[in-house]
Amino acid sequence: NAGVTQTPKFQVLKTGQSMTLQCAQDMNHEYMSWYRQDPGMGLRLIHYSVGAGITDQGEVPNGYNVSRSTTEDFPLRLLSAAPSQTSVYFCASSYSIDLGPGQGSDTQYFGPGTRLTVL
Amino acid sequence: GDSVTQMEGPVTLSEEAFLTINCTYTATGYPSLFWYVQYPGEGLQLLLKATKADDKGSNKGFEATYRKETTSFHLEKGSVQVSDSAVYFCALRPWGNKFYFGSGTKLNVKP
Repeated sequence: NAGVTQTPKFQVLKTGQSMTLQCAQDMNHEYMSWYRQDPGMGLRLIHYSVGAGITDQGEVPNGYNVSRSTTEDFPLRLLSAAPSQTSVYFCASSYSIDLGPGQGSDTQYFGPGTRLTVL
Repeated sequence: GDSVTQMEGPVTLSEEAFLTINCTYTATGYPSLFWYVQYPGEGLQLLLKATKADDKGSNKGFEATYRKETTSFHLEKGSVQVSDSAVYFCALRPWGNKFYFGSGTKLNVKP
């Protein structure tokens, strides 16, 4: 298994440009999520999905779009990049997360990250 | 709202020293609690977890006990090694689909 893969590893954009960060997993996980990691702020949840066709917002969704057409893929789109979106982005996945903590498997597996710089 | 607070770093220790990284949380109900580790240039990896009060998670010599009365999940290791140098994140999953991470604590272990 490749686990969770992300492309690209590095990207430099100019303000206003758009791009898509790719995320794929081969573990048949239902739950997938995107985080951004900023110095001193830990990881913050951008968007998540509990299955194909279902997405929802996290803590910091503004400026980002997602879709989930297949179980394997969960791309993150920046429609008009801004310098405030300079960050390291991580995709993660896990088996189905039931509503009850401790029920089901909620261990997340993370990709290697994408370092994005917006000039 | 739900949140995690962990001690700021960096923490610098000599090899074989005792490690404690404090983590406290705010959450409704009974969340699951996690410690993740991030080695340089890599994504996060699960280190250990606990899903109910008084549970002790353990892995690779690290331990953490879910203390509901003090809303804490402190990470401990009796004897750290240089290879333990990394950033450690405390996280929680309350009732629902969202995870919340602390700001991370960088650990430097010197030979």
